[in-house]
Amino acid sequence: DADVTQTPRNRITKTGKRIMLECSQTKGHDRMYWYRQDPGLGLRLIYYSFDVKDINKGEISDGYSVSRQAQAKFSLSLESAIPNQTALYFCATRDSGNTIYFGEGSWLTVV
Amino acid sequence: EDQVTQSPEALRLQEGESSSLNCSYTVSGLRGLFWYRQDPGKGPEFLFTLYSAGEEKEKERLKATLTKKESFLHITAPKPEDSATYLCAVQALADTDTTSGTYKYIFGTGTRLKVLA
Repeated sequence: DADVTQTPRNRITKTGKRIMLECSQTKGHDRMYWYRQDPGLGLRLIYYSFDVKDINKGEISDGYSVSRQAQAKFSLSLESAIPNQTALYFCATRDSGNTIYFGEGSWLTVV
Repeated sequence: EDQVTQSPEALRLQEGESSSLNCSYTVSGLRGLFWYRQDPGKGPEFLFTLYSAGEEKEKERLKATLTKKESFLHITAPKPEDSATYLCAVQALADTDTTSGTYKYIFGTGTRLKVLA
């Protein structure tokens, strides 16, 4: 089983709908991240959390929100999805050696 | 401006044809440089961390090296199963308008490697 699990793996949603991507980890890391990946743009940081009470915006947080429900769970929400939020989304954790470990990804298509 | 640039964007090799991928960076306060392998539709898989110039790490057919301005991922006698996108990332001091805490991660856009049998 993967150490960082994302659900759903694939989702097609309509413009204006609310969508939540969930992430859980078994690595025991405090630090968790949400990234999006677009062709030619690399990975960009949406939100990050250093612990349950610490949530911080990344470079592209507009249109997104997050919730850290527990040390192991970090969810990403799109309150009103728009087509340019179509992307591959990754949840990740970071260990004490500063290495980032990624989940398998969630493909989101907004039509 | 902090920047990470990978080259080439794409590379086709014959099986057994050794080559190198480049990751050049311009950042303040490099803390670490990371290499990842990413298969299509999958999450990046961690390969190596390099912390200081002159450091080298090896894993099977892969060897990563680091200088003060760039890192190389050398692939010796590649096999078709080495086909993937290879990403590098640097961990560096955050700007005053920090978005990632004390340190930030900057990812390159990757090199797509195809090894032909």
